[in-house]
Formats: sequence, structure tokens, C-alpha cells
Amino acid sequence: QKEVEQDPGPLSVPEGAIVSLNCTYSNSAFQYFMWYRQYSRKGPELLMYTYSSGNKEDGRFTAQVDKSSKYISLFIRDSQPSDSATYLCAMSGGGSNYKLTFGKGTLLTVNP
Amino acid sequence: GAVVSQHPSRVICKSGTSVKIECRSLDFQATTMFWYRQFPKQSLMLMATSNEGSKATYEQGVEKDKFLINHASLTLSTLTVTSAHPEDSSFYICSAGTGTSTDTQYFGPGTRLTVL
Repeated sequence: QKEVEQDPGPLSVPEGAIVSLNCTYSNSAFQYFMWYRQYSRKGPELLMYTYSSGNKEDGRFTAQVDKSSKYISLFIRDSQPSDSATYLCAMSGGGSNYKLTFGKGTLLTVNP
Repeated sequence: GAVVSQHPSRVICKSGTSVKIECRSLDFQATTMFWYRQFPKQSLMLMATSNEGSKATYEQGVEKDKFLINHASLTLSTLTVTSAHPEDSSFYICSAGTGTSTDTQYFGPGTRLTVL
């Protein structure tokens, strides 16, 4: 079993839809959870950063972490064509172990 | 804030030559920099972690003599692919952080290496 599982998609939605992206993980030591957006042939861009369980909202984006289920989600409201990209979840254990473990990424296309 | 640059953005070289890629943190001091490679439609694979002024820590399976990493200052790390071969063709991405437990990583735009 991989440490982080993420459905690679592709996921195609109409403009304005609510998008739900998810990752599961197996390492209970993970404390910090991130979502990155990566456009084609570009480096990842940090979208959301969450510590431990709970919700965090930033504009149209909401990140949820459920450590008891080892499950994290990213919701995108009122999706736009400019949201079309690959979304990568990442997590780390913190302390001296701040190396990130990434999911494979989900390719999202928002159709106008 | 938290801008990381990479140079060059794209490089094509002949087999057997060496290629140097630079990674700079433009508006913060990066005590730790990370080097990743990414194959098409794959996730990022960590190659090595470098701390300013010390030797890099390589991940299992990464040849340290082939991928030379230098982190000479708090704003600059370089990755040199020595004696490059076609199988080294990939997308190389660096990231930088301040190295504290609550920090995250900010990524550069990546360098696409093609070895002919």
C-alpha cells in the first residue's frame, strides 16, 4: 500500500460546478497537509496548508482533514476554466521530518 | 512573497555532457532546498535534500555522484547532472523552505531537461 493514494482522474466538470478532490494516507505520523496546483509544464503552487484535523477556507477553496479516517479533501466552489490543472496533495510529519510525501495528482478540467 | 526561480527553464544537451540547474529563493532565505524529478503524468519524486553549507542527503536509489548538489548560500542551490544520458531526460523541480517543522515548501517553475 502506498503512503498516499490519490485518484489520478481525469476529472471533467462544467464551469460553476463544485469540485471535490481527495487523498487517503496510511502513515499516522503525518501532521501537516497541503494541496498544490500544478499547471502543465510548471512547478507546483501552494494552495492550502493545514495542520492536523479540521477545515480551512480560502476564497473558493476549502481544505478538510480527517485524521481519524486518514482522509483529506479539497473543495473548489464555482469552478472556473482557469482552475484546470493537476492538483497534488502532500503531507509531512513535521519536526525533523519535514519531507513531503505527494499523491500522484488529479488532473482536473473545467469546461466553459 | 515566497518566490523561487529556476534557471534554465529548458535545456537540450548531448549525451555525455553535464548540465547545471540553478535554484534561487528570491525573497527569503532558504536553509533547506529540495530537488525533485517528475516524469510525465507522474508525481514528484524527491531526489535529495540540501542544507546550506552541508552535504546533501540523497534519497535511496539516487546516485550522488551523478546528481551533484551544492547549496553554497541561503538563496542558491545548484543541481549538476553529470554525464547525462537520455534516461536522465525529465522535469527537474526545486523547492525551498526555511526548514522549521511548521514550514512548507515553495516550488520553482521547473527545468525540462532533454538529453539527445
